[in-house]
Amino acid sequence: QKEVEQNSGPLSVPEGAIASLNCTYSDRGSQSFFWYRQYSGKSPELIMSIYSNGDKEDGRFTAQLNKASQYVSLLIRDSQPSDSATYLCAALLGNQFYFGTGTSLTVIP
Amino acid sequence: DAGVIQSPRHEVTEMGQEVTLRCKPISGHDYLFWYRQTMMRGLELLIYFNNNVPIDDSGMPEDRFSAKMPNASFSTLKIQPSEPRDSAVYFCASRKGLPGELFFGEGSRLTVL
Repeated sequence: QKEVEQNSGPLSVPEGAIASLNCTYSDRGSQSFFWYRQYSGKSPELIMSIYSNGDKEDGRFTAQLNKASQYVSLLIRDSQPSDSATYLCAALLGNQFYFGTGTSLTVIP
Repeated sequence: DAGVIQSPRHEVTEMGQEVTLRCKPISGHDYLFWYRQTMMRGLELLIYFNNNVPIDDSGMPEDRFSAKMPNASFSTLKIQPSEPRDSAVYFCASRKGLPGELFFGEGSRLTVL
């Protein structure tokens, strides 16, 4: 079983809609969680980090963490075509980051 | 502050040749990670260093791969001899302590013919 699981998608949403990306993790020892965005041919770029249960908002992005259920989600409000990318979920366990395989998001104009 | 710097950005080589990838972490960061990314396997951790010391190299595929970090501002990943299955994008990333978000370099795209 992989440490971090993501639905690989692809996920398509119309411009202006809410995109919901989900991630589960297997080790309850994981304490810190991150969402990275990766455009095709580019490197992963950190967009959100979350360390405690609940919601964390940053602009159009909201990260949600539920440690009891071992899931992390990312909501993108008012989705824009520029949000089209692969989104990687990562969990920090000890000193190692475990990455999911990513969810491909396409925002349709 | 400059980000993580990797070189070369692209490398095309023939099977059996030696390949050396280079990385300069963000100044002040004490952890350095080497990842490999392929379509099939996603991001795989190869090795990571803390304060220039290799901590976990269990992800290094085989003895053909080696990594060094002679000082806090430089690391290399070497493949000798290279094989076509080594073709991938190799990312270097660094972070500072805890909670320590991870910052990636632009990557080195390796093609072994």
